[in-house]
Amino acid sequence: DVKVTQSSRYLVKRTGEKVFLECVQDMDHENMFWYRQDPGLGLRLIYFSYDVKMKEKGDIPEGYSVSREKKERFSLILESASTNQTSMYLCASRIRDRSYGYTFGSGTRLTVV
Amino acid sequence: AQSVSQHNHHVILSEAASLELGCNYSYGGTVNLFWYVQYPGQHLQLLLKYFSGDPLVKGIKGFEAEFIKSKFSFNLRKPSVQWSDTAEYFCAVNARAGNMLTFGGGTRLMVKP
Repeated sequence: DVKVTQSSRYLVKRTGEKVFLECVQDMDHENMFWYRQDPGLGLRLIYFSYDVKMKEKGDIPEGYSVSREKKERFSLILESASTNQTSMYLCASRIRDRSYGYTFGSGTRLTVV
Repeated sequence: AQSVSQHNHHVILSEAASLELGCNYSYGGTVNLFWYVQYPGQHLQLLLKYFSGDPLVKGIKGFEAEFIKSKFSFNLRKPSVQWSDTAEYFCAVNARAGNMLTFGGGTRLMVKP
């Protein structure tokens, strides 16, 4: 089974801190995605990457950046954390074929105080 | 841009009741359609997907969904729910021309024993 691992299950950070959320997948998937999940809003795409060093903005990229230096790792960076970035962050991966679904990680619940 | 609407935010059913969760999308082109489930404390898992062919799709755990192109709908059904079906359900759409999934706001299902 494909495994997508997110480094932290829970994080508490202070306003203004730089925050790194890490995601690693072990099945050589080309595509990787970062979503945030908020009650009533479902999942909203922040950024995605279709290959190493490639990235595309999703629907809500403001306040975030990403890094994909290796195929298996996709990092989400909050440049200066704010309280409205308190959320559940989900990483997902998929092979290049769009007919396949995503495989999700367990999520990182980030609280910014 | 594509969007996905899930009409029911919360559904409460008794065991053995039948389930139908609505999902409508707005995109005029060819799409791939998905239903994901998130059990309490667990990561999102793929329930079923439609790519092409028979519009009635069967998934895991007795779930099925019907793609009605004329109504832009992909409703999820189960004839008889169990307490273990308590979860949040997300509909998602991938336009064939695009690279990422767009999710609906989710439906929280509670099944009373």
